[in-house]
Amino acid sequence: QKEVEQNSGPLSVPEGAIASLNCTYSDRGSQSFFWYRQYSGKSPELIMSIYSNGDKEDGRFTAQLNKASQYVSLLIRDSQPSDSATYLCAVNFPGSARQLTFGSGTQLTVLP
Amino acid sequence: DTEVTQTPKHLVMGMTNKKSLKCEQHMGHRAMYWYKQKAKKPPELMFVYSYEKLSINESVPSRFSPECPNSSLLNLHLHALQPEDSALYLCASSQNPLGSYNSPLHFGNGTRLTVT
Repeated sequence: QKEVEQNSGPLSVPEGAIASLNCTYSDRGSQSFFWYRQYSGKSPELIMSIYSNGDKEDGRFTAQLNKASQYVSLLIRDSQPSDSATYLCAVNFPGSARQLTFGSGTQLTVLP
Repeated sequence: DTEVTQTPKHLVMGMTNKKSLKCEQHMGHRAMYWYKQKAKKPPELMFVYSYEKLSINESVPSRFSPECPNSSLLNLHLHALQPEDSALYLCASSQNPLGSYNSPLHFGNGTRLTVT
């Protein structure tokens, strides 16, 4: 069973703080990892992709991947109220096209 | 703005109606998808169309019928839906099929469907 696990939250952080979102996955053969942000009533928006172990930074966002431990995380620095959304972790398991598996999402609230 | 365009944005239909959702992508991507998303749940894959081949999630009822007129268009025909089919329907595309490395999904804005 291919699984992607996220803490559902809700996670609340004060404005300006670092928000840390975590995701674990079950298949060691996975090679592609994505973070999507989804505002209420809207469609998911790709914010980060990562394929190699280590950190990848894009503005205030940093994705971290550790394949040995089978986890991927997303750090949001200097959190803003506009970052309040549900963050979906998605993992591309090897094999057929249907094997992009989403986690259940973490709801983040940034308090002004 | 997204490069995957879905119409309509909202749709209300009765259980005896026939309607269609439309999706077009302008990125030259070779794979397109339909997802269904219920409130507070992750997207669930319904159909995949890549390299002129349609793949179906076997759990999707036959009242949903995909059609791919060409590589940039993917329609979803709806017939005799049930109230529990009310959801956000998302179209997505990717450069390569999802089994390929480095091929994220790009979602359209979705169609909010309500079945009465």
